[in-house]
Order: sequence, then structure tokens, then C-alpha cells
Amino acid sequence: QVQLVESGGGVVQPGRSLRLSCAASGFPFSDYAIHWVRQAPGRGLEWVALISYDGSEKYYADSVKGRFTISRDNSKNTLYLQMNSLRADDTAVYSCVREGGVVAAFDYWGQGTLVTVSS
Amino acid sequence: DIRLTQSPSSLSASVGDRVTITCRASQYINNYLNWHQQKPGKAPKLLLYAASSLQSGVPSRFSGIRSGTNFTLSITSLQPEDFATYYCQQSYSTPRTFGQGTKVEI
Repeated sequence: QVQLVESGGGVVQPGRSLRLSCAASGFPFSDYAIHWVRQAPGRGLEWVALISYDGSEKYYADSVKGRFTISRDNSKNTLYLQMNSLRADDTAVYSCVREGGVVAAFDYWGQGTLVTVSS
Repeated sequence: DIRLTQSPSSLSASVGDRVTITCRASQYINNYLNWHQQKPGKAPKLLLYAASSLQSGVPSRFSGIRSGTNFTLSITSLQPEDFATYYCQQSYSTPRTFGQGTKVEI
């Protein structure tokens, strides 16, 4: 079955960096575009970034552009999110999400990893 | 960016009720509108895609319809496991955007 398992979250001070990983299994990872979506505590869902199936195209939310970098290693079935210059408002659960189907819906979600930015 | 306006933000209902949630897009998105269900402490789950297509394994009491840029999620005969927060989401363009969510409470 499709599985997406995030790791790498934790508590980090403002201005520091963190790298998240998402290990995929149960499907041909290199065939699918993948997103990062985050949810601040008690808040709604916010799209963060998208990477195409082969890594050639990347898109970012304005709120993270220039600070976050999405990447993937298809040989390892793994997605990454490098987060630099972290701010308090980046505090959230970060989930990787597969895009699939005829309308590119978010069809499978990981459970997420919590990132807390605090001094 | 495409704005999705979801209403209501919350509602109270009873088991067996029919519930309707609406999502209005700020511009044309064809049928690139999807609905997700999220229970507390859990990852969201895709319920419907392309406005009205049921994701595999989702009960048939869930349905969706599109009218122009207005989209509706309906739940007939609400079940105890349906109490959750529902989000609409557009996949027409980047940035992908979500509605603000509708919390369905007992």
C-alpha cells in the first residue's frame, strides 16, 4: 500500500535550518509529483511546495520562497525539504502529499512531522 | 492566486442528518476541485476529486457537485465517524490553495 513517512522535525531556534525527509513506498515514486503541505497548530492547511516527478520543476508558496528548497532522490524514493532562516510562523506539522489522478488531486498524505521554531 | 471561500466555518448536526458544505472559487477552475476530510490528530484523507468523483473506499453517502465556480459537498445520513473538518482544495493552478475548512460537530 502507498506509504509516505516524514521525519526530521523538531525544535529549532529562529534563523536556524532544518531538513525534512519523506520516505515513500508502495508505488513507483519516480512517476509522481509530490508536495509539501503544512498545518500550524489549530489552523488550516497551507500548501508549501511542489516538485515534479523528475525534479525538473519546482514551485513554492510566497511565504517560503527563497528560504525553503524542495528536492528528491528517486533512487532512494525520498523527498526532502531544506528549510533555512526559520521563523516562528513556520511552526507547523509538515506533510508530504502525493499528487495523482486526472485532476492532480492530493490522493495520499503522510502523517506529518512537527517543526517548532522557538527560542 | 485562486481563493477558495468555504462555508460555513462550522456546523452542528446530529447522526442521520444531511449536511451541505459549499466552496466558492475566485475564478474558473473547471472541475479541479477536491474535498478532504481531517479528523483530530490525523492526516487529511481525500474524499472526492474532480468535484464529484468518489475516491476509492469512500462511502456513497458523500457526494459532490459543481455549478460554475461553486462547489458543494453533501453528506447524507451523517454517521458518527463523519464528525471531522472538511477542506476543499483546488488543483487547477499553482499555488495550490485550500478553503479555510468546515468543522462538523455533534
